Amino acid sequence: NAGVTQTPKFQVLKTGQSMTLQCAQDMNHEYMSWYRQDPGMGLRLIHYSVGAGITDQGEVPNGYNVSRSTTEDFPLRLLSAAPSQTSVYFCASSGSGVQETQYFGPGTRLLVL
Amino acid sequence: GENVEQHPSTLSVQEGDSAVIKCTYSDSASNYFPWYKQELGKRPQLIIDIRSNVGLNKDQRIAVTLNKTAKHFSLHITETQPEDSAVYFCAATSGGNNRLAFGKGNQVVVIP
Repeated sequence: NAGVTQTPKFQVLKTGQSMTLQCAQDMNHEYMSWYRQDPGMGLRLIHYSVGAGITDQGEVPNGYNVSRSTTEDFPLRLLSAAPSQTSVYFCASSGSGVQETQYFGPGTRLLVL
Repeated sequence: GENVEQHPSTLSVQEGDSAVIKCTYSDSASNYFPWYKQELGKRPQLIIDIRSNVGLNKDQRIAVTLNKTAKHFSLHITETQPEDSAVYFCAATSGGNNRLAFGKGNQVVVIP
């Protein structure tokens, strides 16, 4: 098992550009989520999904979209990148909900100029 | 929503001593409280958790205690080793227990 994978590892964007951060898991997990990590701010939930076709907003959803068309994939789309979205983004998954071990991906480091 | 706070923000301990990190939460409906460890440049990994129906969970040198009345839970690391140096995040379920709210993290430094 590859576990949770994320691509790209590092990305530089210009303000206003859009992009998609990819996240995939091969553990047949129902629950998937996206967090951003900023210095001194911990991990903040952006969006999450309890299963294919179901998504919901987290703590900081503005400027981001998600979809969950398959169990395996949970891409995060930045609609119009802003410098405030410079961060490290982690995708995580678990079997059926948050009350289980969350398996994190390796992270995507995003710099918006 | 849920507010999770961690204290202290940085903790330095001598190798072999014990370390204790405390977290407080605000949502009385929270029922699951995990601790994650993040080494520099790595992803967070679960080290221990506790559910609201117990007061203590222990796994070798680490333990977590929960006080539901006071709404706080603590991570205890005994006989600290250099590899325990990391950032530790506590979390609590929120939003109808469908989400995790994380604290801002504690930097633990074990001095050899």
